[in-house]
Amino acid sequence: DGGITQSPKYLFRKEGQNVTLSCEQNLNHDAMYWYRQDPGQGLRLIYYSQIVNDFQKGDIAEGYSVSREKKESFPLTVTSAQKNPTAFYLCASTRAYRGGSNYGYTFGSGTRLTVV
Amino acid sequence: QKEVEQNSGPLSVPEGAIASLNCTYSDRGSQSFFWYRQYSGKSPELIMSIYSNGDKEDGRFTAQLNKASQYVSLLIRDSQPSDSATYLCAVGGDTGRRALTFGSGTRLQVQP
Repeated sequence: DGGITQSPKYLFRKEGQNVTLSCEQNLNHDAMYWYRQDPGQGLRLIYYSQIVNDFQKGDIAEGYSVSREKKESFPLTVTSAQKNPTAFYLCASTRAYRGGSNYGYTFGSGTRLTVV
Repeated sequence: QKEVEQNSGPLSVPEGAIASLNCTYSDRGSQSFFWYRQYSGKSPELIMSIYSNGDKEDGRFTAQLNKASQYVSLLIRDSQPSDSATYLCAVGGDTGRRALTFGSGTRLQVQP
């Protein structure tokens, strides 16, 4: 079955440490996204990519980095510059933006990151 | 910054009733509108999309869009306890940003 896989499900980060969250999709989707969700809050956009080797900053990109070397993969690195990284991180994918309309996302199951 | 506003709730309805969830958005150029359901601790699941003014029905769900009023709503008929979740409104499709903007969600509680 096609889908989008995030790993790990739970991740613990020590102060000053960089960690990388994995996101892989086999839906042949062009576009991929990273969102962050804090308790009781909506989703805030970190980074997104419409095509391989290209990505754009979202609303809260500071302290995060991404790469898009393959269509199927869009890993997110949470760097030590991100001072409050504890949150639920969601990766999503969709078909490419066309004609003024977005398509609905398929989400992965998420990674819950905690600073220890 | 583009905004999507939802009442956080909780919205409490009895089993079998109609639940009505509302969403307003600030960007008049928005073209695509989505409703996601999110159970506690889980990732969002797409339940409805709507692109044109009017109503769109899918089973017990009806999405309503009024672009002039910048308003989108979701009706859930014959509400079930399993519908208890947070419902996220998402808006996109403007020319500047090719990603969805999400509201903070409305928590729905369906009482047996």
